[in-house]
Amino acid sequence: DTGVSQDPRHKITKRGQNVTFRCDPISEHNRLYWYRQTLGQGPEFLTYFQNEAQLEKSRLLSDRFSAERPKGSFSTLEIQRTEQGDSAMYLCASSSNFGQGGLGLYGYTFGSGTRLTVV
Amino acid sequence: DAKTTQPTSMDCAEGRAANLPCNHSTISGNEYVYWYRQIHSQGPQYIIHGLKNNETNEMASLIITEDRKSSTLILPHATLRDTAVYYCIVRVAPTGANNLFFGTGTRLTVIP
Repeated sequence: DTGVSQDPRHKITKRGQNVTFRCDPISEHNRLYWYRQTLGQGPEFLTYFQNEAQLEKSRLLSDRFSAERPKGSFSTLEIQRTEQGDSAMYLCASSSNFGQGGLGLYGYTFGSGTRLTVV
Repeated sequence: DAKTTQPTSMDCAEGRAANLPCNHSTISGNEYVYWYRQIHSQGPQYIIHGLKNNETNEMASLIITEDRKSSTLILPHATLRDTAVYYCIVRVAPTGANNLFFGTGTRLTVIP
């Protein structure tokens, strides 16, 4: 297992288009998280899955955003009708709920992110 | 979860110890201190965490004051590859919120 994989690494899209990102977590991790990071800021929480169930969503996750994890493995994050303000790095992380309430012994493992640019 | 305060930036000479402070004066008794770092264009990377006792692993040491209101992350022999943004996070485990509040962190620059 090579860690958390995200695809694509970079995406440039025109305003108004829909985009979809994929995250493949560490295979034995049952928890999956999406974060968004804008320039100069730390990552901000978007949503969280335990297995296939989406258990928590941030207020940042507007109705144009939807995330799925259909079989409790990989996850997708879709943004509809993209706006320039959606330009950011979208980070995925996974963890196991064994040990310390979901952070596991080694915290979250993050992917390298998908950088979205809306032009 | 309690919030943290970190300096915006720090410099450290290569080969010297880097000491990164974090204030968490409102930390609760069941909140852990976690440190992550983010190297440019990568996702955050877990470094270390602790509750009360000082902790050490292959990457760093974590010193937590007796009153737990502050902590220091120590990179004993900083290298150029340690240049990154370092985030101090406090979080309840096991019942805390499932998100991590990163703040803006400390940008550490290791100078040759």
